[in-house]
Amino acid sequence: DVHLLQSGGGFIPPGGSLRLSCAASGFTFTDYSMSWVRQSPGRGLEWVSSISGVSSLLGTSDITDYADSMKDRFTISRDNSKNTLFLQLNGLRADDTAIYYCAKGMWVGETHNVFDFWGQGALVTVAS
Amino acid sequence: EIVLTQSPGTMSLSPGERATLSCRASQSVSSGYVAWYQQKSGQAPRLLFYGAATRATGIPLRFSGSGSGTDFTLTISRLEPEDFAVYYCQQYGSSPGTFGQGTKVEIK
Repeated sequence: DVHLLQSGGGFIPPGGSLRLSCAASGFTFTDYSMSWVRQSPGRGLEWVSSISGVSSLLGTSDITDYADSMKDRFTISRDNSKNTLFLQLNGLRADDTAIYYCAKGMWVGETHNVFDFWGQGALVTVAS
Repeated sequence: EIVLTQSPGTMSLSPGERATLSCRASQSVSSGYVAWYQQKSGQAPRLLFYGAATRATGIPLRFSGSGSGTDFTLTISRLEPEDFAVYYCQQYGSSPGTFGQGTKVEIK
């Protein structure tokens, strides 16, 4: 069975930083892209970032993609040796307050993503 | 970016009734790259369909997806008690991928 176990989250003051983690099991981690999607009452579901898997066909790995409003502040990464996905959040603002979900993509590429499995979510609250 | 508008915002139905949910895109979605998700309170979304009409693993046959271009539909032929939830469409044909605002299917 596929499992995505998230950790991190919490209460952060404006301008602060936080790292979210997502430990994956039950599938070959390197064969699939991974993503972060956030959800808030005001913005609904919002794609944050994706990172590709390892494509032997294309000879590529770990290609990243970001939503424009987050690309200068957030960094996605993955540790393929530990089957773990990360999201580093810097310069947090009040409107970054949301539940952050990690999600498994259905294919290796970082674009055109459909999310077939989701983590349990991590609440990030940005407030002074 | 492509804006997805879901309608209605809320629908009140009884178990056994048919539910028809609409998702309209602000521009044509390439290759019918639309997915549908179900979300219950306090849970993460669950994938129902991708490619507009391809059922994800384990999704019951009472659920069906259809559409192309700018108009997409999720149909639940006969509502079961466990189907009362919020449903979201997502387009993944153009970057950034975007979600609709959701349709809540509630018990009448």
